[in-house]
Amino acid sequence: DSGVTQTPKHLITATGQRVTLRCSPRSGDLSVYWYQQSLDQGLQFLIQYYNGEERAKGNILERFSAQQFPDLHSELNLSSLELGDSALYFCASSPGQTSSGNTIYFGEGSWLTVV
Amino acid sequence: QQPVQSPQAVILREGEDAVINCSSSKALYSVHWYRQKHGEAPVFLMILLKGGEQKGHDKISASFNEKKQQSSLYLTASQLSYSGTYFCGTEYYGDYKLSFGAGTTVTVRA
Repeated sequence: DSGVTQTPKHLITATGQRVTLRCSPRSGDLSVYWYQQSLDQGLQFLIQYYNGEERAKGNILERFSAQQFPDLHSELNLSSLELGDSALYFCASSPGQTSSGNTIYFGEGSWLTVV
Repeated sequence: QQPVQSPQAVILREGEDAVINCSSSKALYSVHWYRQKHGEAPVFLMILLKGGEQKGHDKISASFNEKKQQSSLYLTASQLSYSGTYFCGTEYYGDYKLSFGAGTTVTVRA
């Protein structure tokens, strides 16, 4: 158990719908990262927040958005869902920036299936 | 920019050794290694910062060659539990995120 909590663990929804994935980082961690992993694919970086502020952005679709709240939990919002959005979405957290020698710890992931 | 991992897959018998490489075309600040079992979260193995240091985790060790912008993960005397997909995550100067390679699938057979 990494200490990173993600909900829901599984989600099935229809095309065109909107979902919200939630992440609680490890106690004391200020950075939250979101990654997408499609079937048998690598980990694609989506976005990172540090203490409430967006710090880095990857190839995140305009239909996707995220935020980090004052209590440091984060939410990833996925809208106008398409079949291709079906994937395992990971949240990860770290105490600070990775450049400070911090590593990131992954949650168990949220399985999203779009039908 | 994502690092390039090689090989894509490797099959071992228990007790055999293997090397997984992670290469970058950009100057690396750090390399992080993870192992992921199918459908599970990636699990942190070790981190290597610039300076060419080598770290170890049980019989798994890694090195970081700053001149070549490459890291290698060494699986020594492999065990069945070593099976999984190994990812290297790289951090570049000025970045605040880890970019992951496509992964190397390791299968250890009895």
